[in-house]
Amino acid sequence: SSELTQDPAVSVALGQTVTITCHGDSLSGYYASWYQQKPGQAPVLVLYNKNSRPSGIPERFSGASSGYTGSLTITGAQAEDEAVYYCASRDSAINQPPLFGGGTKLTVL
Amino acid sequence: EVKLVESGGALVPPGGSLRLSCAGSGFPFNTYSMTWVRQAPGKGLEYISYITSSGTTVDYADSVRGRFTIFRDNGKNSVYLQMDSLRVDDTAVYYCVRERTAGSAPWGRGTRVTVSS
Repeated sequence: SSELTQDPAVSVALGQTVTITCHGDSLSGYYASWYQQKPGQAPVLVLYNKNSRPSGIPERFSGASSGYTGSLTITGAQAEDEAVYYCASRDSAINQPPLFGGGTKLTVL
Repeated sequence: EVKLVESGGALVPPGGSLRLSCAGSGFPFNTYSMTWVRQAPGKGLEYISYITSSGTTVDYADSVRGRFTIFRDNGKNSVYLQMDSLRVDDTAVYYCVRERTAGSAPWGRGTRVTVSS
């Protein structure tokens, strides 16, 4: 089955911009969705359908997609953005279960 | 408020069984597919099992196929995960998640399963 690959860790200075990427064959057909997980908490959906934000997610979170790569960008990172970010997609058709990346630990310096 | 609440996690010995429950509220439960996802201590998210809205189609990760069974009772707005032949490496927090084309949300707070002698 397909896999989604993420860098294990990324850091960003407070107030700067950071991009987290996700690579996988399934991303050529399905946009990545992105989940934020803070220590001791359940994951929270922060982006879907490439660049849509659920209600309550700050505008500094944005997404993009090109070929086999999806990306999450935080413009003006805040201390509260420090978390692990997981991408997810679907292996093939609709009504298929989600496929998760390994997660990227974002450190805000 | 759309909400999912898991229950049933416990400490069980290797080879034991456990049934997890997930109760949904605040949305038409019978129109959504549902997924169980687990997270072992210090590890990433792992897809475990999936069931369509009617319950007619199910799927399992290779790691649990033949040992775990997912089913739902739409009359009770609940989805379940029957876990048999539990192994030490099944130790994890188990999350219940509502599936949408617009991303998987919400996630429940999770229920902890510990398999140990």
